[in-house]
Amino acid sequence: NAGVTQTPKFQVLKTGQSMTLQCAQDMNHNSMYWYRQDPGMGLRLIYYSASEGTTDKGEVPNGYNVSRLNKREFSLRLESAAPSQTSVYFCAVDEDRGLGETQYFGPGTRLLVL
Amino acid sequence: GNSVTQMEGPVTLSEEAFLTINCTYTATGYPSLFWYVQYPGEGLQLLLKATKADDKGSNKGFEATYRKETTSFHLEKGSVQVSDSAVYFCALRGKGAQKLVFGQGTRLTINP
Repeated sequence: NAGVTQTPKFQVLKTGQSMTLQCAQDMNHNSMYWYRQDPGMGLRLIYYSASEGTTDKGEVPNGYNVSRLNKREFSLRLESAAPSQTSVYFCAVDEDRGLGETQYFGPGTRLLVL
Repeated sequence: GNSVTQMEGPVTLSEEAFLTINCTYTATGYPSLFWYVQYPGEGLQLLLKATKADDKGSNKGFEATYRKETTSFHLEKGSVQVSDSAVYFCALRGKGAQKLVFGQGTRLTINP
């Protein structure tokens, strides 16, 4: 039982390149989330998906797109990477029933944009 | 809107010292409150949670009590170990809310 997995673990990009971060879960939860973590700023929500086929913007969506491919997978795409997108990206999942449930996090993807 | 304010770090203590990391929040209604821990190079792990006023969450010797009157959820541990060195995040989630709201994190270093 892997929980939440993310690939790749680490990536270096040049400005303007594109890439897709992958997230997969085996917890059978409906809701999935993408966060970015920057020093001194905690975690900020980029996008989330309440269920298969739906996605919504979070706090910092600009420069990103997402796809909820199926119940298990939720990908984050950077179409044209910028140095400001250097960060650590975390995927999270939960069974959101509106009762303040716990979110479970993946190990993270460290992205460096030069 | 909802927000979380954490004690600024970094915090450095000696092994077996008493730990308190302060966390206060602003929210409407009765949110759920969480402490997450992030060990070096890893993702966030749930440390403990409380879902209603006066509840005490506890795990691995850490405790936090949901205080509605002071809007606080301070993290405490009676005797810290070197292995407790990590970044600690306080967070809240409103009932019916999709999103977790995080504090900025507190880096804790325990010296032997």
